[in-house]
Amino acid sequence: EVQLVESGGGLVQPGGSLRLSCAASGFTFSIFDMHWVRQGPGKGLEWVSGIGTAGDTYYPDSVKGRFTISREDAKNSFFLQMNSLRAGDTAVYYCARGRYCSGGACRYFDSWGQGILVTVSS
Amino acid sequence: QSALTQPRSVSGSPGQSVTISCTGTSSDVGAYKYISWLQQYPGKAPKLIIFDVTKRPSGVPARFSGSKSGNTASLTISGLQADDEADYYCCSFAGAYNVFGGGTKVTVL
Repeated sequence: EVQLVESGGGLVQPGGSLRLSCAASGFTFSIFDMHWVRQGPGKGLEWVSGIGTAGDTYYPDSVKGRFTISREDAKNSFFLQMNSLRAGDTAVYYCARGRYCSGGACRYFDSWGQGILVTVSS
Repeated sequence: QSALTQPRSVSGSPGQSVTISCTGTSSDVGAYKYISWLQQYPGKAPKLIIFDVTKRPSGVPARFSGSKSGNTASLTISGLQADDEADYYCCSFAGAYNVFGGGTKVTVL
């Protein structure tokens, strides 16, 4: 069974940093593109970043230069380093497995974690 | 990278059909056959129920069906059941990124 488990969320002040982790199990992690998607309070889903099997990374303009995605295949995990956090980054962050991805986009996301809350507030 | 447009809510009685629309542009929904739909219960992870416009993952009931015409995709739930009450999100491939809809709450009356 495919499982994705996020960790590392919490409360951080504006301008601060946080590192999210996603632990994967139940599949051959190294051959899949992995992504982060967030959901702000009362809002829809928003793609945040993606990483390919070769370590190529992709970001939307809203987080480019502030967020960094990385992966460690030996530990079946990938990460999201978030710097210069703003109130608008407050959201539940989901890790997701992408299928048939090209660049930062995928035909679909077939497995999702339960999500982890990040709150940016003073 | 604007969000796709979905109605905030739709409702129906048990056994009826409801359809959720998802409107994008010629750069996303209209350009690709890669539309997916996600079902989300409160506080739970999203679950893929439709991919590539019309395909259903194993285990998803045939009551869920998808279609697309021009810049608008649609999800139809036939034979509405109580446990279909959830939030539904569309997602489109958009070349260099994915774009999602704002979500639609389905209420079973």
